[in-house]
Amino acid sequence: ETGVTQTPRHLVMGMTNKKSLKCEQHLGHNAMYWYKQSAKKPLELMFVYNFKEQTENNSVPSRFSPECPNSSHLFLHLHTLQPEDSALYLCASSQDLAGALETQYFGPGTRLLVL
Amino acid sequence: DAKTTQPPSMDCAEGRAANLPCNHSTISGNEYVYWYRQIHSQGPQYIIHGLKNNETNEMASLIITEDRKSSTLILPHATLRDTAVYYCIVRANSGGYQKVTFGIGTKLQVIP
Repeated sequence: ETGVTQTPRHLVMGMTNKKSLKCEQHLGHNAMYWYKQSAKKPLELMFVYNFKEQTENNSVPSRFSPECPNSSHLFLHLHTLQPEDSALYLCASSQDLAGALETQYFGPGTRLLVL
Repeated sequence: DAKTTQPPSMDCAEGRAANLPCNHSTISGNEYVYWYRQIHSQGPQYIIHGLKNNETNEMASLIITEDRKSSTLILPHATLRDTAVYYCIVRANSGGYQKVTFGIGTKLQVIP
């Protein structure tokens, strides 16, 4: 149990669908992250939130829309995705942004397939 | 962040030591070496990190060369559950968020 949960674990969606990925952390952390991991590619940072405020958007297309209603929850809203968006989407949290890398705790990920 | 290079894959017999190399020839003086691993379909897991001295914890040992241009992660007695992709990362530890590039990593296969 990592303390960071993600739902759903698997998702198949068409290019015209709208879906949302959910992340919840039970660690009392203030910072949360979305990462994308495509097959045979490095892990890519997408968004960073600190105290519910977005602090980084790593040039992510607008078809990905994050939402952070409170420090414990992070959503990634998906709409009109492309097949190349199929990947493992990982959520992570850390106590704050000043912490070293080892303080980032990752969730199990949502494996997304866009048809 | 400095770039790292790792072999794409390695095999190790169960019970033997797994030695995973990483080159980071452009590392700066204030950059640490971190190791993460990712077991299939799970999130990355922190293993160990160091600056210039060798480090050991319950999971692994980290050996950093004197010139800091390369390092080796050692799993002393590899088990089947150590089969994973291992990532070597370098980054400064000066506080504040810093973007990290994980790279492709080394896929370690532990063989029975």
